[in-house]
Amino acid sequence: EAGVVQSPRYKIIEKKQPVAFWCNPISGHNTLYWYLQNLGQGPELLIRYENEEAVDDSQLPKDRFSAERLKGVDSTLKIQPAELGDSAVYLCASSSPVGELFFGEGSRLTVL
Amino acid sequence: GQQVMQIPQYQHVQEGEDFTTYCNSSTTLSNIQWYKQRPGGHPVFLIQLVKSGEVKKQKRLTFQFGEAKKNSSLHITATQTTDVGTYFCAGLDSGTYKYIFGTGTRLKVLA
Repeated sequence: EAGVVQSPRYKIIEKKQPVAFWCNPISGHNTLYWYLQNLGQGPELLIRYENEEAVDDSQLPKDRFSAERLKGVDSTLKIQPAELGDSAVYLCASSSPVGELFFGEGSRLTVL
Repeated sequence: GQQVMQIPQYQHVQEGEDFTTYCNSSTTLSNIQWYKQRPGGHPVFLIQLVKSGEVKKQKRLTFQFGEAKKNSSLHITATQTTDVGTYFCAGLDSGTYKYIFGTGTRLKVLA
């Protein structure tokens, strides 16, 4: 069984540029999460989807961040424009029916 | 808002010594999960505890959920170099159905 797939693994951009991350969850997992992880800290939830509905986006900075999961499968997280403080690892996860989270390898963003 | 703290933040042990990390929530949790993240890797699920006072074992790892469902612990017996990594707890808030990750405990094992 394939795991959660994320791309790109690494992205370096200059501030004010846009960036997008893609995630394909485990087949059959209806719940999808985007987390942000800063160095030395635990993952922080940005947004949670149940199928195509964003059920919790309270932590998503909506002035510059957006996300979509149009067909209830794969998802895209976008930042526009990126700021220096956005440098972090963006983790996508999907959950099994019992709640276990399966994380992707993450997308490491560096904003110069 | 809900906070989940872990102590210690860092722990260095000699190979063969035991290790324990503690997780404390400001609110009562529906359940708690534990994850391990190797350096440069992503969090990997270890276990989920649901019942008050629950204890589960996985080989050298023992997990405990407190009676009040506000704290948890992970104990590793006779650490090995393969245990190196950061251990995170994640508590499920029953009101928001949101998993809040703890601050993590970074374990280093000296051979």
